[in-house]
Amino acid sequence: DGGITQSPKYLFRKEGQNVTLSCEQNLNHDAMYWYRQDPGQGLRLIYYSQIVNDFQKGDIAEGYSVSREKKESFPLTVTSAQKNPTAFYLCASSILTGRNTEAFFGQGTRLTVV
Amino acid sequence: DAKTTQPNSMESNEEEPVHLPCNHSTISGTDYIHWYRQLPSQGPEYVIHGLTSNVNNRMASLAIAEDRKSSTLILHRATLRDAAVYYCILTAGANNLFFGTGTRLTVIP
Repeated sequence: DGGITQSPKYLFRKEGQNVTLSCEQNLNHDAMYWYRQDPGQGLRLIYYSQIVNDFQKGDIAEGYSVSREKKESFPLTVTSAQKNPTAFYLCASSILTGRNTEAFFGQGTRLTVV
Repeated sequence: DAKTTQPNSMESNEEEPVHLPCNHSTISGTDYIHWYRQLPSQGPEYVIHGLTSNVNNRMASLAIAEDRKSSTLILHRATLRDAAVYYCILTAGANNLFFGTGTRLTVIP
């Protein structure tokens, strides 16, 4: 089945460590996105990519990094510079970034930093 | 970007229709109105979207006011699986999906 897969579902890390969250899609979508969600809050855009080897910062990119070496993959690294990394992270993809396109979301990775 | 206003929460009895309102008085002529829903501990799921005309799909209907300053998501027959947070979004692009706090729908058996 086509879809978007995030792994792992739960992740625990010690403070000061970098951690990489995986996101893979087999929908042949050009655009991919990373969002962060805090408890009881909406989603906030971290980074997005419209094409391989290119990506743009979203509203809260500080302390995060991404890469887009393959169309199918858009991993997110939460660095030690991110002051409050504990959150629910959601990856999404879409055909285009236009207004008339729907986004498909993964099931999320819940990161806890202790 | 234009923003939306939704009630924080709503309740519905199972098997009854649900009308979820959304106000977007500053909508621009090119903004599409998108609805997503999010079940607990899951990623958001696309529900429906439209520009000017009312839209129907297998999940729901979207009624858009003539002046486009408001819209209503209609679930024709609520089930327990429809209990979720529903987000109304005006999108300037899928890279700019502004998810607010949405409406938490509770379905009462």
